[in-house]
Amino acid sequence: GEEVAQTPKHLVRGEGQKAKLYCAPIKGHSYVFWYQQVLKNEFKFLISFQNENVFDETGMPKERFSAKCLPNSPCSLEIQATKLEDSAVYFCASSQWGMNTEAFFGQGTRLTVV
Amino acid sequence: QQQVKQSPQSLIVQKGGISIINCAYENTAFDYFPWYQQFPGKGPALLIAIRPDVSEKKEGRFTISFNKSAKQFSLHIMDSQPGDSATYFCAARREGGADGLTFGKGTHLIIQP
Repeated sequence: GEEVAQTPKHLVRGEGQKAKLYCAPIKGHSYVFWYQQVLKNEFKFLISFQNENVFDETGMPKERFSAKCLPNSPCSLEIQATKLEDSAVYFCASSQWGMNTEAFFGQGTRLTVV
Repeated sequence: QQQVKQSPQSLIVQKGGISIINCAYENTAFDYFPWYQQFPGKGPALLIAIRPDVSEKKEGRFTISFNKSAKQFSLHIMDSQPGDSATYFCAARREGGADGLTFGKGTHLIIQP
């Protein structure tokens, strides 16, 4: 596709429940990124993939967050045992290989933990 | 430790005026500096980007000025229009396409008619 497609648009989970978010990157893009945007607009980088391989996961709270990008499937970000502080908009972005290439962002998934 | 500091947090400019947003970075390994525009409920969209080997880049009404020695860069929006009202984020990234972006905290820009 020509745009990064994220589903669902909104997700509500009770504290302690699992949340799973999906992202279909732009066709032909080798890199996928996940960011968390909290209420005060601040973006936090979570993880990046080069094709199906994790490239950088230094931003991931590893005890509850996991992510995958498998061939021929949308990428996914899963949060086990959600906490109130996980409430945020989660953005996926993709880019082509190469320097200075633009990262295209999806519309985001708004996760609300109640 | 915040690696990209952005100011001001909010900005009100009259229609036709110049909007100026400033950013400063700390990591000298950063090699790519984009500016993103975000409307409510939408994902950020790239406006304009610069590398440190040039001091200025202009695209239409948008200009990035870059000062490598001061580790600062700024966005200038000329002839600001009400449609420019949005949140603007500066960002930085190390050389290479696979690194995540480090974002500033954003500037909420309002252009008054």
